[in-house]
Formats: sequence, structure tokens, C-alpha cells
Amino acid sequence: NAGVTQTPKFQVLKTGQSMTLQCAQDMNHEYMSWYRQDPGMGLRLIHYSVGAGITDQGEVPNGYNVSRSTTEDFPLRLLSAAPSQTSVYFCASSPRATGTDTQYFGPGTRLTVL
Amino acid sequence: AQSVTQLGSHVSVSEGALVLLRCNYSSSVPPYLFWYVQYPNQGLQLLLKYTSAATLVKGINGFEAEFKKSETSFHLTKPSAHMSDAAEYFCAVSGSPPGTYKYIFGTGTRLKVLA
Repeated sequence: NAGVTQTPKFQVLKTGQSMTLQCAQDMNHEYMSWYRQDPGMGLRLIHYSVGAGITDQGEVPNGYNVSRSTTEDFPLRLLSAAPSQTSVYFCASSPRATGTDTQYFGPGTRLTVL
Repeated sequence: AQSVTQLGSHVSVSEGALVLLRCNYSSSVPPYLFWYVQYPNQGLQLLLKYTSAATLVKGINGFEAEFKKSETSFHLTKPSAHMSDAAEYFCAVSGSPPGTYKYIFGTGTRLKVLA
């Protein structure tokens, strides 16, 4: 198993540009989530999904969209990038949507918005 | 709403000394609690978790944590620090209120191990 994969590893955007961060898992996990990590703020939940076709907002959803058309993929879309979205983004998955399962994290995407 | 507080954004210990990283949670019902570790330029990996079974939880690499409901705490300990323990550690909570599937993380504690 490749586990949780994220692409790209690094990205530089200009203010106002849009882009999609890709996340995929090959473990048939039900639950997937996106976090952003900023110095001194830990990980903050952006959006999560408890199964294909079901998504919900986390703590900091503004400026981001998600969809879950398949079990494997959970892309994160930045609609109009802003410097405040400069961060490291992590995707994670867990076997079931129960809140008790271990989350498996991808290697992260480092995004800079100029 | 559930939340976790990690006291001390940076902790330094000598090699061989006790490691104690603090985590307090805020929840209306006993939650599920986790400790994750992040090594430089990597994603997070699970150290241990509490899901309402034994209150003393043992994890990988010699770490353990005790769930104390009366103190709303879930502190992480290791009897003897090793240089390889230098990393950032995150406490996380989920499951409160029941049916909540959001995992909420603390702000992290960076552990430095001195030779």
C-alpha cells in the first residue's frame, strides 16, 4: 500500500490564483480530512468527509472547497488564493468514521501564496 | 465544543531524563484522546490513543499516557529521553459530543533533548 499520497509537495501561487491539492489513499478508508499547519497554531481542521459523497466543514473552511466523489480521492480546492493561505497542508485518513480510529497522514504540501 | 490545551510550546530535557508533555482537554463528555508525533518535514504518526478502555495507555517508543477524568488531563510521559525523541508532539481529541467525527488538535509541544 502507498498509504496516503499528496501532490504536489511544494507550490507557489500568486494572489487570486486557484489550484487543487490532491490527496489519495489506497486503504479503502471511510474517513478523510484536510488540515493546515501554521507555526504556533498546531493543526487546524479545514474539511472532512465520512464517506463518498459526504463532506462537512471543520474549524477553518473559508476559502476552501472539497468534494468526495470516490472513496480514494479527497481533493482540496483553493478558490482564490490569499497570502493568509500560506501554510503546510496535510491530508489524513482513517478506517472508519467513528472518531476512535488512528488517522494516517500524508507527507504534506507546502504552499506559498505571494 | 471540544478542545485541547498543550502547556509549553517548547520543552527541553537532558538525555536520560523524564519526559512530561502536558495535555488538558475540554469536553462535555469523556472524549477520545490521541498523541501524535511529527519528525521534521514529515507527516504525523500515532504514538498512542485512549478510547475509553484502560486509563493508562502504552504507546510506541516507550511513551505512555494516563487519562485522568477528574483533572481533564492526558499527559504524555517517557521515563528516559533519547536523542531520537526530539520532535513535535500533538495532543488531539475527538468524539465529543457523541457522533462528532472531527479530530481537534492542540498547538503542539516541541521537545528538545540535550546531550
